[in-house]
Amino acid sequence: DQQVKQNSPSLSVQEGRISILNCDYTNSMFDYFLWYKKYPAEGPTFLISISSIKDKNEDGRFTVFLNKSAKHLSLHIVPSQPGDSAVYFCAALGTGNQFYFGTGTSLTVIP
Amino acid sequence: EAQVTQNPRYLITVTGKKLTVTCSQNMNHEYMSWYRQDPGLGLRQIYYSMNVEVTDKGDVPEGYKVSRKEKRNFPLILESPSPNQTSLYFCASSLNPRLMPSTDTQYFGPGTRLTVL
Repeated sequence: DQQVKQNSPSLSVQEGRISILNCDYTNSMFDYFLWYKKYPAEGPTFLISISSIKDKNEDGRFTVFLNKSAKHLSLHIVPSQPGDSAVYFCAALGTGNQFYFGTGTSLTVIP
Repeated sequence: EAQVTQNPRYLITVTGKKLTVTCSQNMNHEYMSWYRQDPGLGLRQIYYSMNVEVTDKGDVPEGYKVSRKEKRNFPLILESPSPNQTSLYFCASSLNPRLMPSTDTQYFGPGTRLTVL
């Protein structure tokens, strides 16, 4: 059973606009969340993370929001750039140091 | 250069023929893990290791073995591969996930595409 879900397989956004990628989780014991970006033929690379004791973390154009009561997190990219086109995975760290990943959202930024 | 290397990058084999995918990291990381990526299923953790001689099952350990005899190496062993193990495999390493700073994370290898006929 998928404990981390990304319900939108794909998203298209115009260059310069905001991209919002969403992620839901079911396990309230998750205490650390991460976003990864993946280009074809490469391994995932880390974007940004957030601890469960925070509700927002910002790094340049990337901001992650965490709503623990809704078990929901989102990644905002502002402004979106064509180089942001990739597959984005959200992930959660569970007890026992196991990572749980979502199914990914393919973002296309249209020039 | 800090990196995680995997070999081979591509492998086509037949059902039942034992194989090993190697993984090595040069960052002195305690934590290493293996994932498989499948369409519609995302990344799923197969096994992980907190340190030498310490391994734990992830979500999908069936049909796989691992060993951690040295800190830098974490090979993935398929004793009797089957077609449902056809997948894209990633090795990753990091500091202890509970202790690493928020700017640090798992570093992934480039992937191994395995086809089992």
